[in-house]
Amino acid sequence: GQNIDQPTEMTATEGAIVQINCTYQTSGFNGLFWYQQHAGEAPTFLSYNVLDGLEEKGRFSSFLSRSKGYSYLLLKELQMKDSASYLCAVRDSNYQLIWGAGTKLIIKP
Amino acid sequence: IAGITQAPTSQILAAGRRMTLRCTQDMRHNAMYWYRQDLGLGLRLIHYSNTAGTTGKGEVPDGYSVSRANTDDFPLTLASAVPSQTSVYFCASSDSETDTQYFGPGTRLTVL
Repeated sequence: GQNIDQPTEMTATEGAIVQINCTYQTSGFNGLFWYQQHAGEAPTFLSYNVLDGLEEKGRFSSFLSRSKGYSYLLLKELQMKDSASYLCAVRDSNYQLIWGAGTKLIIKP
Repeated sequence: IAGITQAPTSQILAAGRRMTLRCTQDMRHNAMYWYRQDLGLGLRLIHYSNTAGTTGKGEVPDGYSVSRANTDDFPLTLASAVPSQTSVYFCASSDSETDTQYFGPGTRLTVL
């Protein structure tokens, strides 16, 4: 079966750095997405990786290792507004997105 | 309209009733999707449409139907609602260039 694993919840301090991991086992791989979802709102696109390596976008970076079936989202200089759930999704061989259950990130002052 | 809209925002429905959730996008995206999101579970695909006039089944299609008469609209119908269909429903669309999915604000549905 297809599976995306992420930690259920993480806590970090304002101003710090946090890394959210995602491991996947899917039938084929055609890219990995990270989305942010604030409570009661829709998911919004953060990043996309299809090749191995690090993609940096401001305070957020995303890393991919296809051989290990592994990705992480790195958030720097954490702000209170970063409190949200972070969803990892993999596009499989049928070009359908398989979603993880999300990681709830709690930022403390 | 800017992006994707969904209606209604929320709804309480008696079991056995028929209900249509509406979704409209103005981005001229070819592909559209319906997901449900339940606590502790990832987004699960109900139905999708790669282009107007075509639809396909996702991971959890039973009890739901869709139609895609034109590019902009993608309604989801529950023929006879059951309590297990209580969920938050998200519609999404994706552009053909990057395949990035963009989501509507969601419909919170409660079936009693």
